[in-house]
Amino acid sequence: DAGVIQSPRHEVTEMGQEVTLRCKPISGHNSLFWYRQTMMRGLELLIYFNNNVPIDDSGMPEDRFSAKMPNASFSTLKIQPSEPRDSAVYFCASSLATYRGSGNTIYFGEGSWLTVV
Amino acid sequence: KNEVEQSPQNLTAQEGEFITINCSYSVGISALHWLQQHPGGGIVSLFMLSSGKKKHGRLIATINIQEKHSSLHITASHPRDSAVYICAVTGNQFYFGTGTSLTVIP
Repeated sequence: DAGVIQSPRHEVTEMGQEVTLRCKPISGHNSLFWYRQTMMRGLELLIYFNNNVPIDDSGMPEDRFSAKMPNASFSTLKIQPSEPRDSAVYFCASSLATYRGSGNTIYFGEGSWLTVV
Repeated sequence: KNEVEQSPQNLTAQEGEFITINCSYSVGISALHWLQQHPGGGIVSLFMLSSGKKKHGRLIATINIQEKHSSLHITASHPRDSAVYICAVTGNQFYFGTGTSLTVIP
């Protein structure tokens, strides 16, 4: 199994540009999570999908952030316009679970390292 | 106030030592996760547990639901165990501890 696949691995972009992060969950998993990790705030859950439907987006910092999951094998996290404070590592994870990953192990992608200058 | 508290924040051990990392939480949960983040940044889920004890190789995780406490133990520690260990709980929301940075010295 290839695991959770994220792209790009690294991105450096200028303030104001649109950033799109992509995630392919493990085949068969029905839950997908987007996390952000910064030195200041640690690891935070941004949004959680179950069966392609956003269940909880209370962690999304503001309207500049949006996430979609058009099908079971693909999700995007978009930041428009990007700001320097968005610089962080963004992790995607998936699991086979019914609610918030409580049922099974969560598998993480390798992360997308975003720098906004 | 953090819903999930970990201790210690930093830990240095000699190779071979028995290591314990603690996690206390203040919210109702359906599951607790122990995560390992390697120096390169990748995150691996070590355990997901809702009761009792789980063992995988040299790693043991326990949870006491009544006391809202979990421990992660590493037996016969090795330098390759050096990483940040993160406790996370799932309930109505997802909460993370700030992590314990472990360094195992040869």
